[in-house]
Amino acid sequence: EPEVTQTPSHQVTQMGQEVILRCVPISNHLYFYWYRQILGQKVEFLVSFYNNEISEKSEIFDDQFSVERPDGSNFTLKIRSTKLEDSAMYFCASGTRGGGEQFFGPGTRLTVL
Amino acid sequence: SQQGEEDPQALSIQEGENATMNCSYKTSINNLQWYRQNSGRGLVHLILIRSNEREKHSGRLRVTLDTSKKSSSLLITASRAADTASYFCASITGGGNKLTFGTGTQLKVEL
Repeated sequence: EPEVTQTPSHQVTQMGQEVILRCVPISNHLYFYWYRQILGQKVEFLVSFYNNEISEKSEIFDDQFSVERPDGSNFTLKIRSTKLEDSAMYFCASGTRGGGEQFFGPGTRLTVL
Repeated sequence: SQQGEEDPQALSIQEGENATMNCSYKTSINNLQWYRQNSGRGLVHLILIRSNEREKHSGRLRVTLDTSKKSSSLLITASRAADTASYFCASITGGGNKLTFGTGTQLKVEL
């Protein structure tokens, strides 16, 4: 069964460094998302992406964040200058239609020291 | 109050019993979805119920939606130890695509 994959599973970085989190969505999906979950807290929406552009973003998704679909399979989240409070589990998701089911990857645990 | 609050926060039952989790929300929804998360793992989509639906079944899962009360419930029948996980409701509102998650219910099914 097709699934969303994410790499790396765990990323440790120093504050101020740039990180790129990678995702391979399910191949026939058209909608792509990033969410994050700080330990012990709710899952929070970051950004949605459709037709090669951002369709919606949250207040969390400020100028330090960017997303890209560099080719037909990958979907990346870049954090330009990481802060301690960026430490969280980051989930990628994809779906076939807007507002429908979303299928999540296993997550990347980002630890900022 | 926030969109999507579940109760109880934690639930412990014996294998074979039914588990019921409730979710309340504040703003009108297009649909409401339930997800499961095993400890430290990704979210698994369980079921989606549209705003014009009142009840939906999938295997041992039964979801109800009461838009007048802005609430939904997830019933897991004949629970198994493998059902131990956190369960989240998440809603889609307006014309958007983002999921707004609730606080989750931690279910523990004991042998």
